[in-house]
Amino acid sequence: EVQLLESGGDLVQPGGSLRLSCAASGFTFSAYVMSWVRQAPGKGLEWVSSITSSGDSTHYPDSVKGRFTISRDNSKNTVYLQMHSLRAEDTAVYYCATDLGDTGWLPHWYHWGQGTLVTVSS
Amino acid sequence: ELVLTQSPGTLSLSPGERATLSCRASQSVTNNYLAWYQQKPGQAPRLLIYRASYRAEGFPDRFSGSGSGTDFTLTISRLEPEDFAVYYCQHYGSSPPMFTFGQGTKLDVK
Repeated sequence: EVQLLESGGDLVQPGGSLRLSCAASGFTFSAYVMSWVRQAPGKGLEWVSSITSSGDSTHYPDSVKGRFTISRDNSKNTVYLQMHSLRAEDTAVYYCATDLGDTGWLPHWYHWGQGTLVTVSS
Repeated sequence: ELVLTQSPGTLSLSPGERATLSCRASQSVTNNYLAWYQQKPGQAPRLLIYRASYRAEGFPDRFSGSGSGTDFTLTISRLEPEDFAVYYCQHYGSSPPMFTFGQGTKLDVK
């Protein structure tokens, strides 16, 4: 069974940093693209970042580019999201997501974790 | 940058009725890279439809997706109580990889 388990969410002050983790199991982690998607309280979904299976290519929307960094450790079956210069508008549930339909880029995500809450507030 | 606009924002219907949800793109969607997700309160989204019209595993055939170009539709033929949720459309652009969501349609009980 595919499982994605996020952790690391916390209350952090504006301008602070936080690192999220997503531990994967039930599939060959090193073969698949991994992504982070977030959802502010009561709001819609927003893609945050994606990383290729080898980790050699990463992508971000403008809203987080230069502040967030996605990485992965294929020996630990874990993908990370390092967040710096956090703002109130980064407050959200952060989901880890993937799709196992192919080992390359896929245009959707079938598997999602349950999310971890990041709150940016003083 | 492609923008997805979903309508209506809220749709109030009764069980047994037919639901039609719209997702309009600001530019033509290539390769029909348009997906739909269902999200219930407190839960992660679930992939419902991919490539505009392919139903994901676990969803019954009362759910269907259609459309191409800039106009896409999610249809639920006969609403069941468990279908009341928020539905999001999502686009993938490949150069560079980028994912965009619509703002969502809340389907609630009339």
